[in-house]
Amino acid sequence: KAGVTQTPRYLIKTRGQQVTLSCSPISGHRSVSWYQQTPGQGLQFLFEYFSETQRNKGNFPGRFSGRQFSNSRSEMNVSTLELGDSALYLCASSLTGDEQYFGPGTRLTVT
Amino acid sequence: GENVEQHPSTLSVQEGDSAVIKCTYSDSASNYFPWYKQELGKRPQLIIDIRSNVGEKKDQRIAVTLNKTAKHFSLHITETQPEDSAVYFCATQPSGYSTLTFGKGTMLLVSP
Repeated sequence: KAGVTQTPRYLIKTRGQQVTLSCSPISGHRSVSWYQQTPGQGLQFLFEYFSETQRNKGNFPGRFSGRQFSNSRSEMNVSTLELGDSALYLCASSLTGDEQYFGPGTRLTVT
Repeated sequence: GENVEQHPSTLSVQEGDSAVIKCTYSDSASNYFPWYKQELGKRPQLIIDIRSNVGEKKDQRIAVTLNKTAKHFSLHITETQPEDSAVYFCATQPSGYSTLTFGKGTMLLVSP
């Protein structure tokens, strides 16, 4: 089976702009979780979608949102970008929600 | 919320030695404990996991032990090789939720 894929792999944006990241899970996986990875805070949970519904949400401001489509592909959106949003954004897919397999990530740089 | 402490933050060993990384957690509802390996510039890779009804699990050179009473679990790597060099993350997940809470990571360096 093909692994989790994420696009784009790299992004450079300016403060105040918005960005949309995409994640395609492993075929058959209906759960997609998003994480932010930074050197200072490590890996932090953003949210999880299962069958097009947000099932869990982490402690991030409302500028961070997401959605999932009927084919289980997921997108996350960050509006009004801040310098502190610079990070590696990882998505992970899972069949049941526990064993999570990560994509390669999208490296977002906000200038 | 859940708090996961991971030690040590860095670990240097000689090839062939054993390496042990320890994690403690706070939420007694946690019942799934995975370990991830992340090489530089790569994605985190699930290497082993354990559920709360099991005390130990082995897979070739790696093993994980869990003490639910003390709320700690450990990763053991035997006969380390240079390709084991990476950052290792422990994580916990409570029953019924898909949220993974990660430790801060351990950078393991295996010298030939």
